[in-house]
Amino acid sequence: KQEVTQIPAALSVPEGENLVLNCSFTDSAIYNLQWFRQDPGKGLTSLLLIQSSQREQTSGRLNASLDKSSGRSTLYIAASQPGDSATYLCAVDSNQGGKLIFGQGTELSVKP
Amino acid sequence: AAGVIQSPRHLIKEKRETATLKCYPIPRHDTVYWYQQGPGQDPQFLISFYEKMQSDKGSIPDRFSAQQFSDYHSELNMSSLELGDSALYFCASSFRVLAGDGELFFGEGSRLTVL
Repeated sequence: KQEVTQIPAALSVPEGENLVLNCSFTDSAIYNLQWFRQDPGKGLTSLLLIQSSQREQTSGRLNASLDKSSGRSTLYIAASQPGDSATYLCAVDSNQGGKLIFGQGTELSVKP
Repeated sequence: AAGVIQSPRHLIKEKRETATLKCYPIPRHDTVYWYQQGPGQDPQFLISFYEKMQSDKGSIPDRFSAQQFSDYHSELNMSSLELGDSALYFCASSFRVLAGDGELFFGEGSRLTVL
């Protein structure tokens, strides 16, 4: 059974810092991995999608990497801003059917 | 760009009542997914539909049912509501994962409160 874990559960950094959020999964047989952002009480905004055959994806200040063999993904946020404060969730699709298994998320706070 | 539309955004019901949530996927998307997110929890997959047929099923209670209609919108029906059903219900859509990259796009969610 696929399990997804995110570390740390919460992170507080000063504005301008570069930071890394970690995601690990127990079964390396995945179809893709998706990173989401969720503001309190709001919906999930897709940030980056990495296919199982890819190593990384970039969008603006965000870079996500995938190491399938070790069951790990990282989300790198460069030059963090207060507007980046939110919960970041990673989710794995193991059966190519869109049934995502989510991690518990990392709550990020960027202080001005 | 058009996004996934969910209605209602907020819903308050009494125990044992029935609730219906609606989801309108992104145009041209043919697959709809329902997820439930309890307070402080990560989203849990409930059910999905592809071309109006159920394609996968997760931890959806027997009291819940869902369907996808000819215009691709979907409805989640919840009966005999319990306090534990209070949650944020998300709908997501995608273009069929086998043909596309499998990226899911989520709506803003419908917050159900059961009193």
